[in-house]
Amino acid sequence: DAGVIQSPRHEVTEMGQEVTLRCKPISGHDYLFWYRQTMMRGLELLIYFNNNVPIDDSGMPEDRFSAKMPNASFSTLKIQPSEPRDSAVYFCASRKDRVGWNTEAFFGQGTRLTVV
Amino acid sequence: QKEVEQNSGPLSVPEGAIASLNCTYSDRGSQSFFWYRQYSGKSPELIMFIYSNGDKEDGRFTAQLNKASQYVSLLIRDSQPSDSATYLCAATTVGFKTIFGAGTRLFVKA
Repeated sequence: DAGVIQSPRHEVTEMGQEVTLRCKPISGHDYLFWYRQTMMRGLELLIYFNNNVPIDDSGMPEDRFSAKMPNASFSTLKIQPSEPRDSAVYFCASRKDRVGWNTEAFFGQGTRLTVV
Repeated sequence: QKEVEQNSGPLSVPEGAIASLNCTYSDRGSQSFFWYRQYSGKSPELIMFIYSNGDKEDGRFTAQLNKASQYVSLLIRDSQPSDSATYLCAATTVGFKTIFGAGTRLFVKA
């Protein structure tokens, strides 16, 4: 398996523009997580899905952020409109659901977003 | 209070020494705990997981878990300059979500 695939790797956009980040999880994984990483706040969980259903979006900072998972192999994180404070590295991670708790999350390479 | 807390460091140790990284968590329902390593500009990668009280050893790495104290640690023996990275502690909580601490930066001086 190629692992978790994110696109684009880098995104530079102007304030006010819409940004869409994409993620393809590892095949067969039941959980998908979106994280945001900044120096100030570390790695924050934004939202996660189980079997394509959003379970907890309490980490989504504002209504400008939305996420979807239309099928088991694809998810998007959208920011509309984008602001300079949204600049961060956004990671997607997936995890297989097994009996028991000791299953790790595998990360994509991340999308470095810069909003100017 | 953050759900998973770590000292941000930086922690600096000489080559060959033991590096000790610590983490506390707030959700007593958490069952599994993970240590990830992240090099600058890269994504986190798993080093170890632990879910039973006590120690778990894997090569130069030892993870320790104390559920009564809600405390997790990672020891790195014979530290090498290549161990210089940010170490992230994570917990899988009730609801099966994985929460990360902010990470501890480790520098191993040659």
